[in-house]
Amino acid sequence: EVQLVESGGGVVQPGGSLRLSCAASGFTFDDYAIHWVRQVPGKSLEWVSLISGDGGSTYYADSVKGRFTISRDNSKNSLYLQMNSLRTEDTALYFCAKDFTDTSGWPALDYWGQGTLVTVSS
Amino acid sequence: QSVLTQPPSASGTPGQRVTISCSGSSSNIGINYVYWYQQLPGTAPTLLIYRNNVRPSGVPARFSGSKSGTSASLAISGLRSEDEADYHCATWDDSLSAVIFGGGTKLTVL
Repeated sequence: EVQLVESGGGVVQPGGSLRLSCAASGFTFDDYAIHWVRQVPGKSLEWVSLISGDGGSTYYADSVKGRFTISRDNSKNSLYLQMNSLRTEDTALYFCAKDFTDTSGWPALDYWGQGTLVTVSS
Repeated sequence: QSVLTQPPSASGTPGQRVTISCSGSSSNIGINYVYWYQQLPGTAPTLLIYRNNVRPSGVPARFSGSKSGTSASLAISGLRSEDEADYHCATWDDSLSAVIFGGGTKLTVL
């Protein structure tokens, strides 16, 4: 059974940093791209970033480029999102989601975690 | 404001057919696959339609997707109360080198 479990969310002050993790199981982790998608409760989905199966290709939304870094450790079946220079508008529920492709045809997100809440507030 | 435009709301009565539109441009829908996600209240999204018009196993045939030019549509026939949810379209944008989502459509079953 495919499972994605996010962790690392919490409350942080503006300008602060946070590192999210996503633990994956039930599939061959390095065969697939993985995404981060966020959602302010009651609002629409906003794509954040994606990383290819081998970690060699990464992409970011303009709203987080230069502040967030996506990475993965295929030996640990884990995905990460390092978030720096956090802003109040980064407050959201952050989902990790598996793509059923690796190098193109995104976003075919066939499995999602339940999300971890990030609150940026003073 | 989303790059992909969806109506914020849609509604229908049980048994009716409802369509939800998703409008984009030549750099996104015009040249890439469209995906649709269903998000039931309080839950994570699930993949409903992939590659414009393909249903994953387990998704009822009542759900169908189509694409024409720079627009796409999701159709739900034989509407049921359990279809009440938010529906999101998504695709890749070649100009942005990014995934883009529509603003989401809240479907109400009257």
